[in-house]
Amino acid sequence: EDKVVQSPLSLVVHEGDTVTLNCSYEVTNFRSLLWYKQEKKAPTFLFMLTSSGIEKKSGRLSSILDKKELFSILNITATQTGDSAVYLCAVLNYQLIWGAGTKLIIKP
Amino acid sequence: DTEVTQTPKHLVMGMTNKKSLKCEQHMGHRAMYWYKQKAKKPPELMFVYSYEKLSINESVPSRFSPECPNSSLLNLHLHALQPEDSALYLCASSQEGEQYFGPGTRLTVT
Repeated sequence: EDKVVQSPLSLVVHEGDTVTLNCSYEVTNFRSLLWYKQEKKAPTFLFMLTSSGIEKKSGRLSSILDKKELFSILNITATQTGDSAVYLCAVLNYQLIWGAGTKLIIKP
Repeated sequence: DTEVTQTPKHLVMGMTNKKSLKCEQHMGHRAMYWYKQKAKKPPELMFVYSYEKLSINESVPSRFSPECPNSSLLNLHLHALQPEDSALYLCASSQEGEQYFGPGTRLTVT
């Protein structure tokens, strides 16, 4: 059965800290891995990763995929309170298979 | 422009009502999706339309009826819902892989 596992399930850090969120997967017919940020409303697209070892970066956020070990990480440096959200990882084969999410809380 | 719009933002309906949720995208995406999301859970796929044809129906009860009038519009018709159907209903669209989500409709069934 296809599955996507995120860890930790929740994380509380202070502003300015760096965090690493993990996503491992066992999915047949892998096409790509996606990261989303969800606050109160709909998930907001962050990254799509298709190739191993190529880091994608957007401001303080970055992500990388390891297709051999079947995982991805999402890094956030110099965290701010506005980074508080649920971060969702999903793997695309013919549809998106979602992880349970990591709830990140940034304390001032 | 990566905008997907949904109406209404909030909907309260009784179990005997008939209502519809609407979704629109103008990005020329070939695929559109309906998801249901309960609190503290990831989105749960309901339906996928590809090139205006229903391609995936994830065993959704018949009280939910999707419709794709054209390549930009997606509707979800609701009839005789149950209180457990209360959730955030998300529409998304995609072209090659990444799905862009609308803001969702918060549905409460009383």
